[in-house]
Amino acid sequence: AQSVTQLDSQVPVFEEAPVELRCNYSSSVSVYLFWYVQYPNQGLQLLLKYLSGSTLVKGINGFEAEFNKSQTSFHLRKPSVHISDTAEYFCAVTRRSNASKIIFGSGTRLSIQP
Amino acid sequence: NAGVTQTPKFHILKIGQSMTLQCTQDMNHNYMYWYRQDPGMGLKLIYYSVGAGITDKGEVPNGYNVSRSTTEDFPLRLELAAPSQTSVYFCASRSGEASPLHFGNGTRLTVT
Repeated sequence: AQSVTQLDSQVPVFEEAPVELRCNYSSSVSVYLFWYVQYPNQGLQLLLKYLSGSTLVKGINGFEAEFNKSQTSFHLRKPSVHISDTAEYFCAVTRRSNASKIIFGSGTRLSIQP
Repeated sequence: NAGVTQTPKFHILKIGQSMTLQCTQDMNHNYMYWYRQDPGMGLKLIYYSVGAGITDKGEVPNGYNVSRSTTEDFPLRLELAAPSQTSVYFCASRSGEASPLHFGNGTRLTVT
């Protein structure tokens, strides 16, 4: 069965600093990978996704993520964060062979300090 | 388009009562999902459906039931509510297996 581990439950950073949110997955088969963002009191919305092809994926709001098959990781990065990036970020995985079931990680709360 | 609509937004339930959380989508998506979100635990999959008449269990199905009689609707039924079911419940849908999920705004349920 697949699983997702987000290693940091909270990440505080200063405004305009770079940030990396870590995500590792466990699966013996090929996967699709997603990052979602949840702003306070809202549902989740897609930031970016990896399906195939280039391992560097660009998303909305200046975020990008790199798929690393050998390390089974899909870390999310942004070179310079803004106050408006304050939110909770979720990594999700689904198996390509049976992509009906989508499993989420426990989330990382990103707090931006001025 | 309204997208994914969940009702109610908030509800307080007494222990042992039952209720149905409603979810409807107007995007003609085949795939629909119910998740619960608890602090520090992320989202846990309760049930999902790949089309009308087809449902399957997720990670935490105990205490819940679902049905999918139409493409649009995917209600979640809580029988004999317990305090452990206090949570925020999210319904989501998507068009295909590689497509992103579209989420509703959630239902905050308290069982007391």
